[in-house]
Amino acid sequence: EVQLVESGGGLVQPGGSLRLCCAVSGFTFDTYWINWVRQAPGKGLEWVANAREDGSNNNYVDSLRGRFTVSRDNAKNSLCLQMNSLRAEDTAVYYCGGGIGWYIRYWGRGALVTVSS
Amino acid sequence: DIVMTQSPDFLAVSLGERATINCKSSQSILSSSNNRNYLAWFQQKAGQPPKLLITWASTRESGVPDRFSGSGSGTDFTLTISSLQAEDVAVYYCQQCYSSPITFGPGTKVDIK
Repeated sequence: EVQLVESGGGLVQPGGSLRLCCAVSGFTFDTYWINWVRQAPGKGLEWVANAREDGSNNNYVDSLRGRFTVSRDNAKNSLCLQMNSLRAEDTAVYYCGGGIGWYIRYWGRGALVTVSS
Repeated sequence: DIVMTQSPDFLAVSLGERATINCKSSQSILSSSNNRNYLAWFQQKAGQPPKLLITWASTRESGVPDRFSGSGSGTDFTLTISSLQAEDVAVYYCQQCYSSPITFGPGTKVDIK
């Protein structure tokens, strides 16, 4: 059974940092692109970043580049998202998702990140 | 960036009737190298992660009921639910994966009339 499990969410103050990680099981991790997609409360889906199968290439939405960094560890079947200088508008459920190419076939349940003082 | 738009924002359809959702991209997402449209459709039910329904604009994922179909090419796409069931109440999103950044449409909420 395919499972993606996000961890590391929680409450953080504006300007703070948080590291989310996604643990994957049930498929051959190094054959899939892995993505982060977020959803602010009551809003739509926003793609954040992804990492190539072998970790050689990462892509980011321009508005978050420089504050958010993706790192992939194929030995541990995990993908992490380092989020710095967090703002209230970064409050969202963060999903990790994987698939062949850029199609996101498998999704985690999401991790809630709340940025508030 | 490729901007994805959807219409309508909200759709109420009687059980057993057809629901049609439109999606438009700000530039063509048809690849000239493989003649494929890099478009997906997702269904998201309340409190759940999205579910991939359709890839390549018209290829249904395994296990997706055949009442769901996708069509279109270039910049204009459609998701059709041929006979709406109660379990289809959800928000539907289109997504382009032709170029980075990947972008989603704003979503269409489908409910029962």
